[in-house]
Amino acid sequence: GAGVSQSPSNKVTEKGKDVELRCDPISGHTALYWYRQSLGQGLEFLIYFQGNSAPDKSGLPSDRFSAERTGGSVSTLTIQRTQQEDSAVYLCASSLRQGGDYGYTFGSGTRLTVV
Amino acid sequence: DQQVKQNSPSLSVQEGRISILNCDYTNSMFDYFLWYKKYPAEGPTFLISISSIKDKNEDGRFTVFLNKSAKHLSLHIVPSQPGDSAVYFCAAGHGGQNFVFGPGTRLSVLP
Repeated sequence: GAGVSQSPSNKVTEKGKDVELRCDPISGHTALYWYRQSLGQGLEFLIYFQGNSAPDKSGLPSDRFSAERTGGSVSTLTIQRTQQEDSAVYLCASSLRQGGDYGYTFGSGTRLTVV
Repeated sequence: DQQVKQNSPSLSVQEGRISILNCDYTNSMFDYFLWYKKYPAEGPTFLISISSIKDKNEDGRFTVFLNKSAKHLSLHIVPSQPGDSAVYFCAAGHGGQNFVFGPGTRLSVLP
């Protein structure tokens, strides 16, 4: 597609439920990143995928968070047993290669609200 | 400890004047820096970048200055326009690794 697509754009869930957030990166982009932005905060790195390499999960805040990238394209971020502190905007970005001269192209984000 | 800092959470500037957004970093290994702009309900969009081999990069109304010794960079917008009102994020990275983002500065350009 022309840009990075994320779905859903908004998600309200009850505390304790699992949620899945989807990211469809720009075709051909080998690097895919997940960030989140909590209210009044900057962008917090969560996880990144580069080609077929093992993902860098160093930013995941707890083992309730996981992500996968199927076929080197679409990625799903899963949050199990959601907590209220998980409420944030979850942003996905992709780049032609890892960082570097191309920067990232971000999607519009998924606003997650845990009630 | 924040590796990338933007100490001004907000900035107001009159239309037509210069906007200067500042960013400081602590990791001397960072060698590539980006600025992003974010409007409400949209993802951040890439604005301008600079590598550590340069001290200035210019693109239209936007210029980024890098002072490696001070671990400081700044984004200048001249002249500022109301459409520039947004949150600006500074990001820093090393060797193509994941970029670390600052907390952002909300710029308001007043007509």
